[in-house]
Amino acid sequence: KQEVTQIPAALSVPEGENLVLNCSFTDSAIYNLQWFRQDPGKGLTSLLLIQSSQREQTSGRLNASLDKSSGRSTLYIAASQPGDSATYLCAVNAGGTSYGKLTFGQGTILTVHP
Amino acid sequence: DGGITQSPKYLFRKEGQNVTLSCEQNLNHDAMYWYRQDPGQGLRLIYYSQIVNDFQKGDIAEGYSVSREKKESFPLTVTSAQKNPTAFYLCASSSPPGHSNEKLFFGSGTQLSVL
Repeated sequence: KQEVTQIPAALSVPEGENLVLNCSFTDSAIYNLQWFRQDPGKGLTSLLLIQSSQREQTSGRLNASLDKSSGRSTLYIAASQPGDSATYLCAVNAGGTSYGKLTFGQGTILTVHP
Repeated sequence: DGGITQSPKYLFRKEGQNVTLSCEQNLNHDAMYWYRQDPGQGLRLIYYSQIVNDFQKGDIAEGYSVSREKKESFPLTVTSAQKNPTAFYLCASSSPPGHSNEKLFFGSGTQLSVL
């Protein structure tokens, strides 16, 4: 059974700092991996999706990498801002007949203070 | 605007009562999903549907039921058999594998509480 772990559980940084969020998964047979952002009491917003054949994806100040063989993904946030404060979740998609059955990590709560 | 609409935003259930959460999407997505989120935990899949008139159980389907009579709609019923229904419920949809945009899109959620 796939298990997804995110480290750290919470992170507090000063504005402007570069930071890395980690995600690890136990079964490397994945179809893709997504990083999401969730604001309190809200739904999830997809940030980046990495296909299993890709090594990284970039969007603005965000960069996500994937090392499928080692079961790891990282989300890099450059020049963090207070507006980046949210919970960040990673999720892996097994694909095939299980497509869409995402397995989520517990999330990293990020606080960026001015 | 294209998106996923969940209603209501807050819902209260009395003991022994069935309640239905609504999820509607106008993204023309084939697949739809229901997830449950408990405080401090990741999301867990309740039910999913990859096509109209078909749906499959997820990891925690007991005490829940769904229907998929229309492509746009995927309502979730929380039955009286679900003994711990208090949670944040999220509906999502996606395009099929191989589509140019395979991301999952989520609604804004329904917070269900027990009276």
